[in-house]
Amino acid sequence: QKEVEQNSGPLSVPEGAIASLNCTYSDRVSQSFFWYRQYSGKSPELIMSIYSNGDKEDGRFTAQLNKASQYVSLLIRDSQPSDSATYLCAVNPGGFKTIFGAGTRLFVKA
Amino acid sequence: NAGVMQNPRHLVRRRGQEARLRCSPVKGHSHVYWYRQLPEEGLKFMVYLQKENIIDESGMPKERFSAEFPKEGPSILRIQQVVRGDSAAYFCASSPPETGVVGEQYFGPGTRLTVT
Repeated sequence: QKEVEQNSGPLSVPEGAIASLNCTYSDRVSQSFFWYRQYSGKSPELIMSIYSNGDKEDGRFTAQLNKASQYVSLLIRDSQPSDSATYLCAVNPGGFKTIFGAGTRLFVKA
Repeated sequence: NAGVMQNPRHLVRRRGQEARLRCSPVKGHSHVYWYRQLPEEGLKFMVYLQKENIIDESGMPKERFSAEFPKEGPSILRIQQVVRGDSAAYFCASSPPETGVVGEQYFGPGTRLTVT
């Protein structure tokens, strides 16, 4: 079992819709969770971090964490074509490593 | 934007040569991480360094790869005797010193290594 799992996609949504990206992780003691956005050929960019159960909202982005289910998600409201990118889920299971998922490709159709 | 700087951005090496990748973290950041990314794959952790110390190199191959972060100057990832399988994008990230726990990381633009 991979430590951090994401559907590779592509996930295709129409402009203005809600995009829902999901991630599961295997290490129960993980405490820190992150979502990065990576445009093709570019470096990852941190867009959200979440540390406690529940929802965390930042503009059009909402991160959701459920530690009991070992599940973290990212919702993007009012999706725009500029949101088309690969979204990487990252988990710190303790210590100094951050484990990244393989990413979900999102395509927002105009 | 005084973010993480990496050079070179693109590097071509023949099999058997050495590749040297440089990373200057965000000013004031003392934690540096190196990752490797193959096409269509996620980021693979390689090594975590603080100034003059390698803290965790569990993701780095035991042979041919080495990393350092000297007291002065950039962090360097060195790959000796490169092989075609080393072709990848190598990203450096940094985080500020007040985090005893791994927190948010800021990535450089990456070095695209091509081994011919």
